[in-house]
Amino acid sequence: DAGVIQSPRHEVTEMGQEVTLRCKPISGHNSLFWYRQTMMRGLELLIYFNNNVPIDDSGMPEDRFSAKMPNASFSTLKIQPSEPRDSAVYFCASSPGSWNSPLHFGNGTRLTVT
Amino acid sequence: EDKVVQSPLSLVVHEGDTVTLNCSYEVTNFRSLLWYKQEKKAPTFLFMLTSSGIEKKSGRLSSILDKKELFSILNITATQTGDSAVYLCAVYAGGTSYGKLTFGQGTILTVHP
Repeated sequence: DAGVIQSPRHEVTEMGQEVTLRCKPISGHNSLFWYRQTMMRGLELLIYFNNNVPIDDSGMPEDRFSAKMPNASFSTLKIQPSEPRDSAVYFCASSPGSWNSPLHFGNGTRLTVT
Repeated sequence: EDKVVQSPLSLVVHEGDTVTLNCSYEVTNFRSLLWYKQEKKAPTFLFMLTSSGIEKKSGRLSSILDKKELFSILNITATQTGDSAVYLCAVYAGGTSYGKLTFGQGTILTVHP
């Protein structure tokens, strides 16, 4: 089991540029989550999907953020245009999809926007 | 809005000490409470608790849930430097069958030799 795979591991970009983060969940997991972690705010849930359908995107900061899950094995989180305050570690996590299953996290993407 | 609060925010101890980390929650339709350990990278799963009063144990770590008072504790006995990490508490809540996990802000534990 390869676990949750995220790419890239690190991303450095300039303000105004588009950023795309990628995630491959664990095979067979029905739920996928995107979290953002900063020192100030901790782990914040941005959006989660169940069976490829977005269930709750109330944590997405603003219209600059969008997420898609075109199939069961792939999801993207896009920021356009990026701003310095978007700098954080972005984690993707997956689970079998019920409240009695723990989330399994990827190693995260560290985003720095200058 | 669902809320998970951890205390203390940080803790510094020496090897061999015993520590207790606290987690309180206010959520709608509580389902389960989870503890994670985060070192340099991703959070790794420690325990899941669904019933009050039943202790979960793994080596020197143990945890218990009180659903009446809405809190959980994580105990670590005979701490080691390898226990230094951020410990995260999270709660599954909601009326649907699939889970939305809300995290607390974490407790930073530092264990000195």
